[in-house]
Amino acid sequence: EAGVAQSPRYKIIEKRQSVAFWCNPISGHATLYWYQQILGQGPKLLIQFQNNGVVDDSQLPKDRFSAERLKGVDSTLKIQPAKLEDSAVYLCASSLAPLGGVTGGYTFGSGTRLTVV
Amino acid sequence: AQSVTQLGSHVSVSEGALVLLRCNYSSSVPPYLFWYVQYPNQGLQLLLKYTSAATLVKGINGFEAEFKKSETSFHLTKPSAHMSDAAEYFCAVSGNTGGFKTIFGAGTRLFVKA
Repeated sequence: EAGVAQSPRYKIIEKRQSVAFWCNPISGHATLYWYQQILGQGPKLLIQFQNNGVVDDSQLPKDRFSAERLKGVDSTLKIQPAKLEDSAVYLCASSLAPLGGVTGGYTFGSGTRLTVV
Repeated sequence: AQSVTQLGSHVSVSEGALVLLRCNYSSSVPPYLFWYVQYPNQGLQLLLKYTSAATLVKGINGFEAEFKKSETSFHLTKPSAHMSDAAEYFCAVSGNTGGFKTIFGAGTRLFVKA
């Protein structure tokens, strides 16, 4: 089966600019997650979708970050305006069942490396 | 609350030597425990998982981990390191603490010397 697809792979922007990342999960996976991985740290959950509804966005900086999954399939994560501390790898993951990721493990995409200068 | 501590941000071994990556967790509920591996410029790949069945868990690429409740540990081992094992390894814990969340450790980078 095809894996989790993410694009772009790399992005360099200036602070205060906006940027968007795209994720297409494994076909049939209802649950989609966006993680932020800052250099030297483990991934941190930003937002979790179940189909097209948000399950958990408690750690999403909502003043600048937004995410959507309109048709319950692919998803977009946006940052506007970007800050220097947003430099990180943004990972998308999916799982078949609502708790599949937390009980059985996630399938991650290759990530988008964002550099804010 | 749950937490994960990975002892040693960097571990270096010689090819053919034992690999031991340490992970200690804190959880108020029976935990699910995971090890993930991340190769350069790639996402995380699930290496193995503990979900309350056998305490000794075997994973891919010859890795295994043992769940020790008394020590709150879930150390990752491999009898003989290979050059291709050089990567970053993340331990993670999850469980139902009023909502399921997965907490990742900070990672341990494994270097393998020829």
